[in-house]
Amino acid sequence: SQQGEEDPQALSIQEGENATMNCSYKTSINNLQWYRQNSGRGLVHLILIRSNEREKHSGRLRVTLDTSKKSSSLLITASRAADTASYFCATDVGGGFKTIFGAGTRLFVKA
Amino acid sequence: DGGITQSPKYLFRKEGQNVTLSCEQNLNHDAMYWYRQDPGQGLRLIYYSQIVNDFQKGDIAEGYSVSREKKESFPLTVTSAQKNPTAFYLCASSILAGGSHGEQFFGPGTRLTVL
Repeated sequence: SQQGEEDPQALSIQEGENATMNCSYKTSINNLQWYRQNSGRGLVHLILIRSNEREKHSGRLRVTLDTSKKSSSLLITASRAADTASYFCATDVGGGFKTIFGAGTRLFVKA
Repeated sequence: DGGITQSPKYLFRKEGQNVTLSCEQNLNHDAMYWYRQDPGQGLRLIYYSQIVNDFQKGDIAEGYSVSREKKESFPLTVTSAQKNPTAFYLCASSILAGGSHGEQFFGPGTRLTVL
C-alpha cells in the first residue's frame, strides 16, 4: 500500500481561487516533499518540510505538516492556469535513502 | 547548463527484446534513482544508487537491471523478464547529506512502449 496518499485525486477550480491538497502517510518520516508534474514531463521539486517543522512558505505555496496526524497539506494561493498539473507528496522514510511517492492530485485551473 | 538528461524520449520495443534507457547528470550528485510511472499513478522505485559501483533494489526491481560505473551515469536495462514494461520511466538524482537525501532532480523521462 502507498505510504503517501493524496486527497483529493482530482481538483478543478477557477483562476484566482486557492487550491488545497492533502497528503496522509503511515510511518515516521525524516521529511516530506511536494513535487509538481506537468503532463508527460519529469517532476519538479516545490518544497521540503522537515519532521520538526510545522509550516513552510515559498511564494504562493504554503505547506503544513502534522506529524501527530501523519498528514500534510499544500495550499496554492491565487491559482493561475499555469498551475494546472499533478502534485505529489513524497516521504523520506527510515534510514533516509528511500523516498516514497503518493499517487498525486490532479489540479485543473480554469482561466 | 547543469541538469539531468534521459534518452531516448520515446522507445519502442518488441516483446522478448532487452532495451537500455540512458540517464546522465552533471550536477555532481552522489545518489541516482530510477522510477516507473504508470498512467494516473505515482512513482514506484526500481533501483537506486548512492555511490559508484553500488546500487540497491527498490520496490519493483524484477525484470530490470542497472549499473553505476561512473558517478554521472546510471543506465537502466529493461529485460525480457519484465512482463509489463510499457510505462513512463523517470531518472532522478540528489545530494546525499547526513545519511538522508532531500530534493530530487528529475530528468524529462522516457516513454517505453512494447509492441
